[in-house]
This record gives sequence, C-alpha cells and structure tokens, in this order.
Amino acid sequence: GAGVSQSPSNKVTEKGKDVELRCDPISGHTALYWYRQSLGQGLEFLIYFQGNSAPDKSGLPSDRFSAERTGGSVSTLTIQRTQQEDSAVYLCASSLVLPYEQYFGPGTRLTVT
Amino acid sequence: GENVEQHPSTLSVQEGDSAVIKCTYSDSASNYFPWYKQELGKGPQLIIDIRSNVGEKKDQRIAVTLNKTAKHFSLHITETQPEDSAVYFCAASIPGNTPLVFGKGTRLSVIA
Repeated sequence: GAGVSQSPSNKVTEKGKDVELRCDPISGHTALYWYRQSLGQGLEFLIYFQGNSAPDKSGLPSDRFSAERTGGSVSTLTIQRTQQEDSAVYLCASSLVLPYEQYFGPGTRLTVT
Repeated sequence: GENVEQHPSTLSVQEGDSAVIKCTYSDSASNYFPWYKQELGKGPQLIIDIRSNVGEKKDQRIAVTLNKTAKHFSLHITETQPEDSAVYFCAASIPGNTPLVFGKGTRLSVIA
C-alpha cells in the first residue's frame, strides 16, 4: 500500500520567508509526527497529533513553528520568518497507535539562504 | 525526560562478519525500543522493535536484545552484506502519550 508521502522533496527559500511543508500519512493511521534532522544528526521531535486530542507541541523550537492536521489526515508544518538555522530535513511519520511502529516519509530538505 | 545514548557512532565490518550496535536509556519506565535504518537520501525505515516484556527478538539476520536491569538494548546483524551499509538509529519511549527519543545514530559500513 501507499506509504507516507511528503511534499515538496526539496525547498530553497530566502531568509525571512515563510514555508509550508506537507505530509500525507498512511490511510487509517491516527498518529502523525514531525521530526527535524540536521546534517549528520539524529532525529529531533517537533510535534505529534493523536486522533482528536490536542497536539503535543513540546518539541517545537520557537513560536515561528506551527503545524496543523486537517480532518485527521493531511498535516502541514509551517515555518514563519525562516532563519538559516532552520535548514534541515523535515521528516513526517505516522502510526496506528502512539508511539508504536512509526513509518516515515522521505522527508523535505529545506535550505534557507 | 528520557535520554538515549548510542554507540559506536561509526562501525566498519567485513562482509559476512557480525555487527553490534548498543544503546542505553535513562528512564526505567521505558517500554518500547525500535530500531531504524536510514539510507542516504531516504527516511528512516523501521527494521525491528521490542517491548519490555520480551528479552530478545529475531527476524532473519537481525536480532535485538534488551536488558531492563542495565537499561540497555542492542542490535545484532549477522552475516552482514554491503546493502546493510546505512545509518542505524535506536529509540525509546515511556508509556503514555509520549514521543520516541532517538539516539544519535551509527553509521555502519560493510566492506566487500
């Protein structure tokens, strides 16, 4: 079946611009997660959504970062007023039940110039 | 909160040899321990996981062992092949609505 998809695969933006990253989870998965992976580093948790519960935003690094999940499916991660330190690969994952068996998308590589 | 340490950061083995990657965790309440393989330019892929009620789990050439007393778990790959070359991440999670905490990864190179 279809896995997790993310778009765009690559995004280059100028410092100060806003960007939106999209994630389409596996159909039927109630939990959706966003992670950030800087060059050569591990995965940094940003936010997760679980069903209709309030999202856990505890990993968002600043108030420039926000995310929403519409209709319990597609999610959008928005970064406002991008900074060079926001350059990283942003990964989305989904699972049937938090936090087990998370399946990752291919990621969006964000470059802020 | 939970903290996960992973060693070694890099590992080179000859094709056919075994590879072992170790992780330690800090929170004794952790009960779920997955391992991910990440190839260049791709997202992490779940390869095996274990829950705290089990001490060992195998899937073909891959096995994971868990020592709850010592708070560490290990990934064992036998009969390594060049296609096993990748970055491997361990992770841990405590019960409840909490996210996974990942180790910093191990770059495994299998030399033909």
